[in-house]
Amino acid sequence: GDSVTQMEGPVTLSEEAFLTINCTYTATGYPSLFWYVQYPGEGLQLLLKATKADDKGSNKGFEATYRKETTSFHLEKGSVQVSDSAVYFCALSDQGGADGLTFGKGTHLIIQP
Amino acid sequence: DTAVSQTPKYLVTQMGNDKSIKCEQNLGHDTMYWYKQDSKKFLKIMFSYNNKELIINETVPNRFSPKSPDKAHLNLHINSLELGDSAVYFCASSLRVGGQPQHFGDGTRLSIL
Repeated sequence: GDSVTQMEGPVTLSEEAFLTINCTYTATGYPSLFWYVQYPGEGLQLLLKATKADDKGSNKGFEATYRKETTSFHLEKGSVQVSDSAVYFCALSDQGGADGLTFGKGTHLIIQP
Repeated sequence: DTAVSQTPKYLVTQMGNDKSIKCEQNLGHDTMYWYKQDSKKFLKIMFSYNNKELIINETVPNRFSPKSPDKAHLNLHINSLELGDSAVYFCASSLRVGGQPQHFGDGTRLSIL
């Protein structure tokens, strides 16, 4: 079945540091890939997405590129802020989304001032 | 206006009780979902309904029974609650099956004593 593997946290960085959160996947078809973010006490929000190979999703300074050859969708940001502290989930949607979203286990990011 | 709203936000109850969590979306979406997030933040889909009809039913104990009176509502009823049911339950909706993004509610934290 489909699966998503992402680095487990917590990941602790200083403000303005460079961020990478690794995500790799296995899927039977050609999935769409997503990063969702969960701020404390809130539900998940879509951060960015990519629907085909070599697509780059970007939002709020975050970027991720759909790499079919390495089955990866790593999340990056050049300069993190304290307000970026949250849990980040990599996810995929396969088979046209009929099976819902398959999530990774989430990465807790802590940004210190 | 809240797009996807769940009630209650917190639910504390005894083992063996029966409880319900309600979910409503005002986005006009056809598809709704229930996800379970365990203590390690792992998110897994439980159910999906499209226009009041069940389309995804993962291996969830039959003590869990979703009910969709109309396409704007998907309630979750749980019988004979067990300690392992303690988790955060998220409702979500999307425009159609496999539609993205999925819009999530803020979650219901269920604690079993």
